[in-house]
Amino acid sequence: DSGVTQTPKHLITATGQRVTLRCSPRSGDLSVYWYQQSLDQGLQFLIQYYNGEERAKGNILERFSAQQFPDLHSELNLSSLELGDSALYFCASSVGSGSPGNTIYFGEGSWLTVV
Amino acid sequence: DAKTTQPPSMDCAEGRAANLPCNHSTISGNEYVYWYRQIHSQGPQYIIHGLKNNETNEMASLIITEDRKSSTLILPHATLRDTAVYYCIVRVYFRGANNLFFGTGTRLTVIP
Repeated sequence: DSGVTQTPKHLITATGQRVTLRCSPRSGDLSVYWYQQSLDQGLQFLIQYYNGEERAKGNILERFSAQQFPDLHSELNLSSLELGDSALYFCASSVGSGSPGNTIYFGEGSWLTVV
Repeated sequence: DAKTTQPPSMDCAEGRAANLPCNHSTISGNEYVYWYRQIHSQGPQYIIHGLKNNETNEMASLIITEDRKSSTLILPHATLRDTAVYYCIVRVYFRGANNLFFGTGTRLTVIP
């Protein structure tokens, strides 16, 4: 158990809909990261937040957005969903802002299926 | 893009040491090498990381060559539960932070 908690574990929704994925980082961790894993793209970095502020942005679509709240939990919002958004979404956390020596720990993921 | 090259697959007999190689010939002086594994579709599990020196923890050993252009992850006594995809990652500075960029990894199969 990494200490990173993600909900829901599984989610099925229709095209065009909007969903929110939630992540609680490990106790004491200030950074939250979101990754997407689909069959054809592998694990892709989406976005990082540090202590409530956006820190780095990867291959995140404009239809997707994220935020980190004062209690440090984070939410990833996916809107206007398409079939191709079906994937595993992982949240991860680390203690610092992204220092290369600080280990990043991953949650167990949220399975999103768009039908 | 990932800065590492790994063999796509490897087999290892149960109880033997599994040696997983990784090439990272373009690594910079302050970039760390990280290893993670993913069992089926579970979350990536942290194994070990290092900068210059060899490292060992309860899971594995990491051997980094002196020129830092390659490394080897060693699982000393592989078990069936070690069957997974192993990712070697050079943690690079990108758009304001040092994040992890995953490649395709090595699929290790431990054979009874």
